[in-house]
Amino acid sequence: GIQVEQSPPDLILQEGANSTLRCNFSDSVNNLQWFHQNPWGQLINLFYIPSGTKQNGRLSATTVATERYSLLYISSSQTTDSGVYFCAGGNGGYNKLIFGAGTRLAVHP
Amino acid sequence: DGGITQSPKYLFRKEGQNVTLSCEQNLNHDAMYWYRQDPGQGLRLIYYSQIVNDFQKGDIAEGYSVSREKKESFPLTVTSAQKNPTAFYLCASRARSGNTIYFGEGSWLTVV
Repeated sequence: GIQVEQSPPDLILQEGANSTLRCNFSDSVNNLQWFHQNPWGQLINLFYIPSGTKQNGRLSATTVATERYSLLYISSSQTTDSGVYFCAGGNGGYNKLIFGAGTRLAVHP
Repeated sequence: DGGITQSPKYLFRKEGQNVTLSCEQNLNHDAMYWYRQDPGQGLRLIYYSQIVNDFQKGDIAEGYSVSREKKESFPLTVTSAQKNPTAFYLCASRARSGNTIYFGEGSWLTVV
């Protein structure tokens, strides 16, 4: 099955700093999503991005499908950005998503 | 408001007892999923269902069972056969025509 590797596993930032999170896939995927899990466990979908680039406020994501990786950019980080960021990928319409182990982000004031 | 409701939020059970976690959605989504998350780990798929009365095993289905009698509901039973049931359980859903998956707030199960 598909393997998903995320880096770095942990990241500590000062408020206002920028960061880049990476997600590598062992095989091609046609469904790729980024999620943020807050400290209370709630998972929020950030992007559906099987290819190309998308932006939403201070967050943006880029997926290079031919090279099987995706990047999540966080600019001007805020303490509320803290939590765990997951990428997940899969193939087909209803097929399951395989999650990476996540990047744990702590943003300090 | 539309969304996915999981209950209970916290559950404690004695070893050897079966326990059922509820998941209800009013988003009119066709597909529903159950994931398990262990501390400091990613999510692993337990079961998923594309339509009513149909479901498939995920990567870690042993010791779990599900039913899909209604489109809105996808309960998960953690049986006594599950060796390490203590975990955070997340239910999710997705529309037939959509790609985005939405999660409930999760249920914490502790077995003592």
